[in-house]
Amino acid sequence: EAGVVQSPRYKIIEKKQPVAFWCNPISGHNTLYWYLQNLGQGPELLIRYENEEAVDDSQLPKDRFSAERLKGVDSTLKIQPAELGDSAVYLCASSLSRAGGLGYNEQFFGPGTRLTVL
Amino acid sequence: QKEVEQNSGPLSVPEGAIASLNCTYSDRVSQSFFWYRQYSGKSPELIMSIYSNGDKEDGRFTAQLNKASQYVSLLIRDSQPSDSATYLCAVVVPGGYNKLIFGAGTRLAVHP
Repeated sequence: EAGVVQSPRYKIIEKKQPVAFWCNPISGHNTLYWYLQNLGQGPELLIRYENEEAVDDSQLPKDRFSAERLKGVDSTLKIQPAELGDSAVYLCASSLSRAGGLGYNEQFFGPGTRLTVL
Repeated sequence: QKEVEQNSGPLSVPEGAIASLNCTYSDRVSQSFFWYRQYSGKSPELIMSIYSNGDKEDGRFTAQLNKASQYVSLLIRDSQPSDSATYLCAVVVPGGYNKLIFGAGTRLAVHP
């Protein structure tokens, strides 16, 4: 079974430029997450999708960040314009959420995109 | 107070020893707990999940949960140099979104 796929793996841009990241989750996983990870820190959630619906985007800086998951499968995260402080690793994860139970399921991460803003 | 706290380390143990990694969390009603391993330059990899008080064993790994003390730990028996990585503790914070909160991780170094 293929894991979470992300592209590109690395991106270097100048500040004020736009950038986009793409994620394809594990087949059949209905929940998709975008995280940001700074060096020496744990991942921090940016946005969570249940199928096509963004159910938690409370940590997404909406003035410059946007995301979409149009058909409930792959997803794109965009930054426009990028700032120096956006340099980080952007991780996509997916899980198979089921009704009932503990209400939460194990998340599996993609390889991430390392963004450098100059 | 951070929601999930871990000692940043590094925790240095000799090969073959038991490595003990600890994590505390602030939300008393949390029910789901995870340990992820992250090698340098790689993404987090899920290695253990635990939901009930007590111990859960999987190969050389044992997760321990004490909800009364709001404490979760990971024991690695017969530590190998290949276990050298950062170990992230993650806790589900109940609420409308059941958000997964990660600690900053503990760096483990297993030396031959």
